[in-house]
Amino acid sequence: SAVISQKPSRDICQRGTSLTIQCQVDSQVTMMFWYRQQPGQSLTLIATANQGSEATYESGFVIDKFPISRPNLTFSTLTVSNMSPEDSSIYLCSVEVAGRGPAPYFGPGTRLTVT
Amino acid sequence: GESVGLHLPTLSVQEGDNSIINCAYSNSASDYFIWYKQESGKGPQFIIDIRSNMDKRQGQRVTVLLNKTVKHLSLQIAATQPGDSAVYFCAEIPGKVIFGPGTSLSVIP
Repeated sequence: SAVISQKPSRDICQRGTSLTIQCQVDSQVTMMFWYRQQPGQSLTLIATANQGSEATYESGFVIDKFPISRPNLTFSTLTVSNMSPEDSSIYLCSVEVAGRGPAPYFGPGTRLTVT
Repeated sequence: GESVGLHLPTLSVQEGDNSIINCAYSNSASDYFIWYKQESGKGPQFIIDIRSNMDKRQGQRVTVLLNKTVKHLSLQIAATQPGDSAVYFCAEIPGKVIFGPGTSLSVIP
């Protein structure tokens, strides 16, 4: 299966600032996704990162708050903009690997704390 | 201030016993189901999956059972070990992935 890395692994940020999280996969994958996991909760899909075009956002998430890029088949970024303490969460990159079924595989996550 | 998350359902089992983690799914159109294990500080790890045309699938020490009549999914872990302590999530795919709320498994040595 694909090896997924994320940078940074964790960060503490001040409210009003923005943070860009990077996701790198070691092989070409068909689909890339970004999830949020709030403290003690389950995973919520933010958006599907589309190569070379605008991401597809889920209900409740907007591009101005969570801009996403995917310049190629192995790399994507998620920016959390104008942060508030409510944005404190784990942000997870996941991928769908061709031939491995529809189950997404997850990176290690980025633990974000906003003060 | 610090946000307070929901309290996950917790299952405590004695080391060596079998564990059963249950999940109710919501969408009758779901045709694919997955169990994930998430250890503290890590991303979810794929454990086992099952398609809707099956009612049972076995892996190494794990078995997933699917009851479509009552929209219920379970994960059985045989001979539970301390390394099995984690949060377990079920997920269903009726088009896109929908995660259940999670169950925290605690193994007592």
